[in-house]
Amino acid sequence: GAGVSQSPSNKVTEKGKDVELRCDPISGHTALYWYRQSLGQGLEFLIYFQGNSAPDKSGLPSDRFSAERTGGSVSTLTIQRTQQEDSAVYLCASSLVQGGTGELFFGEGSRLTVL
Amino acid sequence: AQSVSQHNHHVILSEAASLELGCNYSYGGTVNLFWYVQYPGQHLQLLLKYFSGDPLVKGIKGFEAEFIKSKFSFNLRKPSVQWSDTAEYFCAADRGSTLGRLYFGRGTQLTVWP
Repeated sequence: GAGVSQSPSNKVTEKGKDVELRCDPISGHTALYWYRQSLGQGLEFLIYFQGNSAPDKSGLPSDRFSAERTGGSVSTLTIQRTQQEDSAVYLCASSLVQGGTGELFFGEGSRLTVL
Repeated sequence: AQSVSQHNHHVILSEAASLELGCNYSYGGTVNLFWYVQYPGQHLQLLLKYFSGDPLVKGIKGFEAEFIKSKFSFNLRKPSVQWSDTAEYFCAADRGSTLGRLYFGRGTQLTVWP
C-alpha cells in the first residue's frame, strides 16, 4: 500500500514477555518516528531515525525499549520484559523532508495490551 | 525543554457553533507548528501547518490557525463546526532545525452534537 504499515495491529502478551512491533514506512521517506499513545496522555515521543544519522533515542522510557531501522526502511520496536504500564498504542510515522520536519504520515498503530 | 500545551482536554459543542482550541508552545526560537486530527477509528492526519509567512494558515475542512509569536500560540479555529468534526485534535511543534523531533500536546477531544 501507499501508506505507513504497522504490524501487528493488536498484540496481547503476558507480563515479562518480549514483543516486537514492525513499521513499514512510505517508500522514499527518510525520516521515521515512533510514538506511544496512552489514554489521556497524548503522543509520547520514543525514537526518531533520519537517514544514516544516529537515531534520537532520547524518548525511550527505559532500557527495555529498543528500536532499529534496517536498510533505511523497515523499523522494529522491541520491548523486553513487558510491564503492564507498557500497554498503549504504538504509532509509527514517516516523513519525506530531510532536516526539519515535514508532514508526518502515521500508521494505524499497534495496540499492545500487557496482562 | 520544549513542550506543547493544549488548554482543553474535552470540548463539547452543538453544530454550527464556533470553535477555538488553544495551543501554546514553549520554545523561543524558530518553530514549525502543526495541527493533526484523529477521527474515530482512523489514523492521525495533518490538518494544517505553519512554517513561515502569513501567520494565518488555512487547512482542510474549513479549519484555520493563527500563529501569534508574541503569545507563543497557535490556536485552531473553525467558524461553524459540523458533527463530522468530532475527533481528537493534536497541536505539535518542532524547532525548525535539523533535529526533526516533533513535540505533541496531550490532545483535545472535540464532540459535536447534531
